[in-house]
Amino acid sequence: DARVTQTPRHKVTEMGQEVTMRCQPILGHNTVFWYRQTMMQGLELLAYFRNRAPLDDSGMPKDRFSAEMPDATLATLKIQPSEPRDSAVYFCASAGTGGSYNEQFFGPGTRLTVL
Amino acid sequence: GENVEQHPSTLSVQEGDSAVIKCTYSDSASNYFPWYKQELGKRPQLIIDIRSNVGEKKDQRIAVTLNKTAKHFSLHITETQPEDSAVYFCAASIKSVMRFGAGTRLTVKP
Repeated sequence: DARVTQTPRHKVTEMGQEVTMRCQPILGHNTVFWYRQTMMQGLELLAYFRNRAPLDDSGMPKDRFSAEMPDATLATLKIQPSEPRDSAVYFCASAGTGGSYNEQFFGPGTRLTVL
Repeated sequence: GENVEQHPSTLSVQEGDSAVIKCTYSDSASNYFPWYKQELGKRPQLIIDIRSNVGEKKDQRIAVTLNKTAKHFSLHITETQPEDSAVYFCAASIKSVMRFGAGTRLTVKP
C-alpha cells in the first residue's frame, strides 16, 4: 500500500529555532506539493515541484520559508527562524504523471507548534 | 489565479437525511474537481472526483455534479451515516495544481 510519508509527525519548538520537515512521495510520482492547514485558512498551497524542479512557491513567506527536493524520494520544507504564527499542520502530497487529472495523495502531516 | 468558494462552512443533518455542499470556482481553465474528506487528526482523502467533460458522477451514496457554464460543482451525500461526519474540501485543478475551498464541517446526528 504505497503512501506518502512525513517526518516528524509532531514538532514543538521555540520561536527563532529552525524547523525542517521531510516528505517521501509515493515512488514514481513526479509532482510534490506542500500545504499548510490552519483553522482559519484551510488548506493553503505553499509550493510545488515537478520532476524535482520548483514550479511555484508564491504561497510561501520567502524570507523564512524554503522548500527543496534534493532527490526524487525526498522533499523538505524549512522554516528559519520560526514564529508562533507558523503553528499549523503541514501536509505534503504527491501526484503521478497521468496527465491533468491527477489525484493528490496526502501524507499524514507534521503538526508544528512554535512557542 | 484560481479562487474556490465553498458553502456552507458547517452543516448538521439527521442520520438518513441528505447533505449537499456547493463550490464555485473562478478560472474557466480548471478541468478537474476532486472532493476530499478529512476526519479529525487525519490526512485528507479523495472520495470522488469529476472531470470537466462530465456533468455528473455517482459512487454509491455520494455524487458530484458540475456546471461548467456557471462554474459551480456540488457534492451530494444521501442516506447519511454518523461515519460521514468529517470536514469536506472541494478543489479545482489546472494541470494538477489544486486550489481548495475552505471546507465544510459535516455533522451527522444519530
